[in-house]
Amino acid sequence: GENVEQHPSTLSVQEGDSAVIKCTYSDSASNYFPWYKQELGKRPQLIIDIRSNVGEKKDQRIAVTLNKTAKHFSLHITETQPEDSAVYFCAASSNNNDMRFGAGTRLTVKP
Amino acid sequence: GAGVSQSPSNKVTEKGKDVELRCDPISGHTALYWYRQSLGQGLEFLIYFQGNSAPDKSGLPSDRFSAERTGGSVSTLTIQRTQQEDSAVYLCASRLNTGVEQYFGPGTRLTVT
Repeated sequence: GENVEQHPSTLSVQEGDSAVIKCTYSDSASNYFPWYKQELGKRPQLIIDIRSNVGEKKDQRIAVTLNKTAKHFSLHITETQPEDSAVYFCAASSNNNDMRFGAGTRLTVKP
Repeated sequence: GAGVSQSPSNKVTEKGKDVELRCDPISGHTALYWYRQSLGQGLEFLIYFQGNSAPDKSGLPSDRFSAERTGGSVSTLTIQRTQQEDSAVYLCASRLNTGVEQYFGPGTRLTVT
């Protein structure tokens, strides 16, 4: 089955700096890669996703890149703000069926 | 509209007892997932229901765990003979058949003493 690894487990940046979180997956059949943000005590919420037919997607300060050959994808947050502080999860699935999540990255943005 | 709801929000049980956790998905969502999130950990996939298809149970950690989805809507996750290592937040999520985004419920925090 699919195995998703996520790094780093914790990340601390200064406000205004960029943050990058990386994930790798094992199943070459995976074709959908979402990113979820979970604020403290709250439920995970989708922030951006990418399908395997594109290499990059951007939404304001957030972008995701995908390298199918290497089976890795990354989340990039630019101009970080304190409200970006949360746990971020990457995930992978094949045809949007069962979803496997990474272990999460706790991002802290220091003002 | 109403989101995914779960009950109870908190459950404290003694080791060895059985527990049932309930998930009410968003109306019309045919796909339903259960995950387990231990303290400070990631989302561990447990089980996935899609319409009338046989569920994907590949994530259930032991035969003490089971789940049902009646009438294609409400789902119940049952843990028999609970152990302390079962203590975690159990999250349910649903999505449209044609959609991609999973909508999560607030979770049930299970504590086994």
